[in-house]
Amino acid sequence: DTEVTQTPKHLVMGMTNKKSLKCEQHMGHRAMYWYKQKAKKPPELMFVYSYEKLSINESVPSRFSPECPNSSLLNLHLHALQPEDSALYLCASSQESRNTEAFFGQGTRLTVV
Amino acid sequence: QKEVEQNSGPLSVPEGAIASLNCTYSDRVSQSFFWYRQYSGKSPELIMSIYSNGDKEDGRFTAQLNKASQYVSLLIRDSQPSDSATYLCAVNKVQAGTALIFGKGTTLSVSS
Repeated sequence: DTEVTQTPKHLVMGMTNKKSLKCEQHMGHRAMYWYKQKAKKPPELMFVYSYEKLSINESVPSRFSPECPNSSLLNLHLHALQPEDSALYLCASSQESRNTEAFFGQGTRLTVV
Repeated sequence: QKEVEQNSGPLSVPEGAIASLNCTYSDRVSQSFFWYRQYSGKSPELIMSIYSNGDKEDGRFTAQLNKASQYVSLLIRDSQPSDSATYLCAVNKVQAGTALIFGKGTTLSVSS
């Protein structure tokens, strides 16, 4: 089973709202990732968690706040976003963060109004 | 130089033909290479991984890796209209807490 589940599938939020994106995997993977993808662009790495610890933060603005409550769950907390943050947010997981295959969830389509 | 480079296309092939997709990478010590397929509005789906020089075949797909030339390719034999998608080349960045770095993707169109 190579399933990564993301909720919600679609989200519309105002610039003053606080919302959270959720990601869950039950493959026993120890690395989890958040990527952001704008239209006609490749996925862009935001954060990497390895063994539940944040190992990479690609200079992401503080209005995006990741959290890894346990080895199966990954959250992305959103606050005071801008319209340019509208994108497809992708969660992925892999067995480890080194040299192993990563599997993506179906993504959350975020629109900031 | 971009870390992972691909021709954006579109690459157009007739049904039944071989589609050839190419990718080059800049980090000589990269060790893992992946091809993802992404349909419009969907998330990337892993279709091939390759770790050592040579060819790796899986059904109609063949991945080729040449580390000396820093070159990865994907061949799709007997192309079908359902193969029409964007194909993303991804390379595992060799640093602490490494993660995948993607090329811009090549759009493939297979006409029936």
